Amino acid sequence: SQKIEQNSEALNIQEGKTATLTCNYTNYSPAYLQWYRQDPGRGPVFLLLIRENEKEKRKERLKVTFDTTLKQSLFHITASQPADSATYLCALDPDRGSTLGRLYFGRGTQLTVWP
Amino acid sequence: DTGVSQDPRHKITKRGQNVTFRCDPISEHNRLYWYRQTLGQGPEFLTYFQNEAQLEKSRLLSDRFSAERPKGSFSTLEIQRTEQGDSAMYLCASSFLTGGYGANVLTFGAGSRLTVL
Repeated sequence: SQKIEQNSEALNIQEGKTATLTCNYTNYSPAYLQWYRQDPGRGPVFLLLIRENEKEKRKERLKVTFDTTLKQSLFHITASQPADSATYLCALDPDRGSTLGRLYFGRGTQLTVWP
Repeated sequence: DTGVSQDPRHKITKRGQNVTFRCDPISEHNRLYWYRQTLGQGPEFLTYFQNEAQLEKSRLLSDRFSAERPKGSFSTLEIQRTEQGDSAMYLCASSFLTGGYGANVLTFGAGSRLTVL
């Protein structure tokens, strides 16, 4: 069965630094990889996605990379702010014309940005 | 459109009781998902509907769980004879995807937190 690992349960960094979160997966070949943000007591919110044939994607202060050979995605938040503190989830998106369509989520990494 | 709505937000019940959660998805979306999330874990897939058809159910969805989506609109998730292990956040999400191709971006509701005493 597929397995998704996010590098650590918690990451603490200082404001202004770049946060780098890791998502590794096995036994799967996703067509897309998605990243979500989740605040305490709330549902996840979609941030951005990257396709299997893309190496890098950017959106404002966010950057995601996707290495299908290493089966790894890196999620970067540059110039981090305390408001970026949240749990970040990666999710595998199977696509490939399947009617299944479920996403497989990692357990998340809790990011804390301190002033 | 106010997004995905879930009700109730919190439910405390005694073991053995039945509970029902409701989800109102984004009206333009054809797919509706139920996920369960426990503390420190990512969302786990339970089931999903495309329009009114329930197309997939996880093995996590025991016989005590049933989900419906009448007329392809709102959905309900019922848990019968609740157990303490059912305590979790139940998340509903919706998306629009036709033909099974393309990225399946989910819009989640705020969740319904269940506590079974």
